[in-house]
Order: sequence, then structure tokens, then C-alpha cells
Amino acid sequence: GQQLNQSPQSMFIQEGEDVSMNCTSSSIFNTWLWYKQDPGEGPVLLIALYKAGELTSNGRLTAQFGITRKDSFLNISASIPSDVGIYFCALMDSSYKLIFGSGTRLLVRP
Amino acid sequence: EPEVTQTPSHQVTQMGQEVILRCVPISNHLYFYWYRQILGQKVEFLVSFYNNEISEKSEIFDDQFSVERPDGSNFTLKIRSTKLEDSAMYFCASTVNFIRATNEKLFFGSGTQLSVL
Repeated sequence: GQQLNQSPQSMFIQEGEDVSMNCTSSSIFNTWLWYKQDPGEGPVLLIALYKAGELTSNGRLTAQFGITRKDSFLNISASIPSDVGIYFCALMDSSYKLIFGSGTRLLVRP
Repeated sequence: EPEVTQTPSHQVTQMGQEVILRCVPISNHLYFYWYRQILGQKVEFLVSFYNNEISEKSEIFDDQFSVERPDGSNFTLKIRSTKLEDSAMYFCASTVNFIRATNEKLFFGSGTQLSVL
């Protein structure tokens, strides 16, 4: 099956710091997605990336689709307490189902 | 904003019992999915459903699992004889389609936490 590696597994940062997390895949995909999951909730889409090299922002969040189409990163600038949660990268395969990464748990110290 | 609704939010059952997890997708959506997340692990695809039939299923979705759209609004996941390892958060999701130009996306429900004792 597809290998999707997400790192880091967890991060504990100070409010105001920037955060970066990334994912790599063993195969080439055409769609990278970044989701956030709050406790007790379902994943919510943050950013969708469709083109190699694409850099997309959503407020304080920035994500890029790697040129090789095998990797992506998500940056959060000036973190705030409500950024706490689990961030998942996900790939959309040719049958439109999502393959999720293992998640990055983010904790923000006020 | 429209949302995917799942009931119940928590379900506790005895091993070997049947459970039905219910979902009401967003009304104009056409594609429906079940995913599950074992505690502390990633979200995993179970099954996709379109045009009243299963489009694809994962190896997790064995003969003990079934899905149904009994009417125009509900989408259910049935586990016939639950096992301990079925304990997980089950998410329903729906979307209109995946044509990129329309920027449609997959909407997830809040999940049903299934605990098998």
C-alpha cells in the first residue's frame, strides 16, 4: 500500500512561535490536503493543493505541494492557543478516497 | 453552514452484538464515505458509496460490515457481530463531487465513538 510519512509526531510550542510539519509519500499523487482535527470532532479541511510547486495560504497557514509531487509541508505562523489539535496530511488517490498521514499533535503553551 | 450529522455520538456494545451507526449527509451531496480512527491512530478509509452502491471498500470492510442508504437522507454503517478491535471513532463524510474546478471538498461528521466491551 501507499506509504505516507508525517512528521513530527507531536510538537509543544510557545504561543507566538511558528510551526512547520511535513509529509512525504512513496508515490506521486495529484492532490495533497491538510486537515485539522479538534478533540471529539471530525477532520476539517484547511488547505487543498492540486499542482506541483503550488503554495497556498489560508490566514496564518501556508502549505506547499512539493515539486516532485511526493511531499508537502504546512506552516503555521504566530501560533495561538486555538491552533491546538491534530493536523493530518492526506492524499487523494485515483478513486477519490483519502489516505491520511499519522498526524502531528500540536500543543501551544500560552 | 451545512453539516454532516452523525448519531449516536457514543455507542457502547457487547462483543458479538450488532450495531448501526447513522449519518445524515449534506442534502445535495452524492458521494458518501465511512472512515474510522482507532484511538491515537490515523484516520482510515472504510468504504465509499455512490449511486446506491459501494464504489470501493478497504480490506477492513469485511463481511461483517455493510452500508445502506435506506431513504433519501440517511446513510448507515452496520457491523453485524462486533469485535473488540472494532472499537474506534467512526466518521461519515460526504461530498458533491471531486471536480476540482468547483472546489468541492469532503465534509466530515463529528463521529460516533464505538466502544466494544
